Amino acid sequence: EAGVVQSPRYKIIEKKQPVAFWCNPISGHNTLYWYLQNLGQGPELLIRYENEEAVDDSQLPKDRFSAERLKGVDSTLKIQPAELGDSAVYLCASSLSSGGAVQFFGPGTRLTVL
Amino acid sequence: AQSVSQHNHHVILSEAASLELGCNYSYGGTVNLFWYVQYPGQHLQLLLKYFSGDPLVKGIKGFEAEFIKSKFSFNLRKPSVQWSDTAEYFCAVLRGGGSQGNLIFGKGTKLSVKP
Repeated sequence: EAGVVQSPRYKIIEKKQPVAFWCNPISGHNTLYWYLQNLGQGPELLIRYENEEAVDDSQLPKDRFSAERLKGVDSTLKIQPAELGDSAVYLCASSLSSGGAVQFFGPGTRLTVL
Repeated sequence: AQSVSQHNHHVILSEAASLELGCNYSYGGTVNLFWYVQYPGQHLQLLLKYFSGDPLVKGIKGFEAEFIKSKFSFNLRKPSVQWSDTAEYFCAVLRGGGSQGNLIFGKGTKLSVKP
């Protein structure tokens, strides 16, 4: 069974440029998560989807970050415009459901903003 | 605010040494507890989990963890580490199910095992 797929794996952009990350969860997983992982830190949740509904986006900086999961399967996370402080690893995870289900993580996208 | 504390930032051991990584959390209600591992160049993988029942849980690769409710702790142990255990280990807490399905991670502990 394929795991969580993310692309690109690495992205280097200049500040003020837009960037987008894509995630395809494990087939059949209704819940999808985007996490931010800064160097030396654990992952921190940005947004959680139940099917196509964003049920928790309280930690998403909405002035520059947006996300969508239009058909309840794959998802895109966008930053526009990117800032130097956005350099980090962006992780996608999925689970069968929320509320205790084990989350499976993708390899992440390492973003460097110059 | 709920938090997860991992006391050791970097642990260096020789092969065959015993391992214990500390994890404490601050949430007082029902919790689900996890240890995830990230090997160099790989993605986060589940090592073991505790939902209920026996507080001593066994995971993959000979790892185990003990949930001590009175101490709000979920320490990870392995009696004899191998070079291949070199990785970063993250403790995570999930508050009591239902709609509160957000994992809170600790900062991680980097384990280096010398051959």
